[in-house]
Amino acid sequence: GAVVSQHPSWVICKSGTSVKIECRSLDFQATTMFWYRQFPKQSLMLMATSNEGSKATYEQGVEKDKFLINHASLTLSTLTVTSAHPEDSSFYICSARGGAEGKLFFGSGTQLSVL
Amino acid sequence: RKEVEQDPGPFNVPEGATVAFNCTYSNSASQSFFWYRQDCRKEPKLLMSVYSSGNEDGRFTAQLNRASQYISLLIRDSKLSDSATYLCVVNEGSGAGSYQLTFGKGTKLSVIP
Repeated sequence: GAVVSQHPSWVICKSGTSVKIECRSLDFQATTMFWYRQFPKQSLMLMATSNEGSKATYEQGVEKDKFLINHASLTLSTLTVTSAHPEDSSFYICSARGGAEGKLFFGSGTQLSVL
Repeated sequence: RKEVEQDPGPFNVPEGATVAFNCTYSNSASQSFFWYRQDCRKEPKLLMSVYSSGNEDGRFTAQLNRASQYISLLIRDSKLSDSATYLCVVNEGSGAGSYQLTFGKGTKLSVIP
């Protein structure tokens, strides 16, 4: 079945540093991937839609200059949290549509902790 | 604002019990509906889609009431392994294959021995 791989699983960084999260579709091509963020005891919130070969579409309230998305190939999208601050600490999850039925599959998520 | 509302729980039930979760959604134009399961600090995993006629998958039964904008999930004969957070998810995308998912905050279930 379709598999989405996300790396790293967790990261701890100092305030002000940048963190890159990778999302790969392992056995299918994904022209569109989605990035979500989930704070504790909150729902997953869509941050942006990543489109291969073009600019990402950001949801209202998400700073595109802070959350850089690159979707340079049909199997890889990256999210870079630039100049991370403690309030950016969250669980970030990517997803992509794949398989014969075009279902949505999620990566395993990245727990980001900014000190 | 488009919303998906769920009772956060927790629901603490003994093994073998039957438990039901409810969910309401605000966007009457929503196209499709799902229940996902999420374990702590893990990705959501699709449990089942929800069809207008109601559908069953083993111990799990999902119901949809479009008139009331209400979705339910029934779990029979609860197992310890059913302990998780159950997410109600509504697809508000229009057109075939369109995905604009809105997630509920989830209902936490703990099945106790």
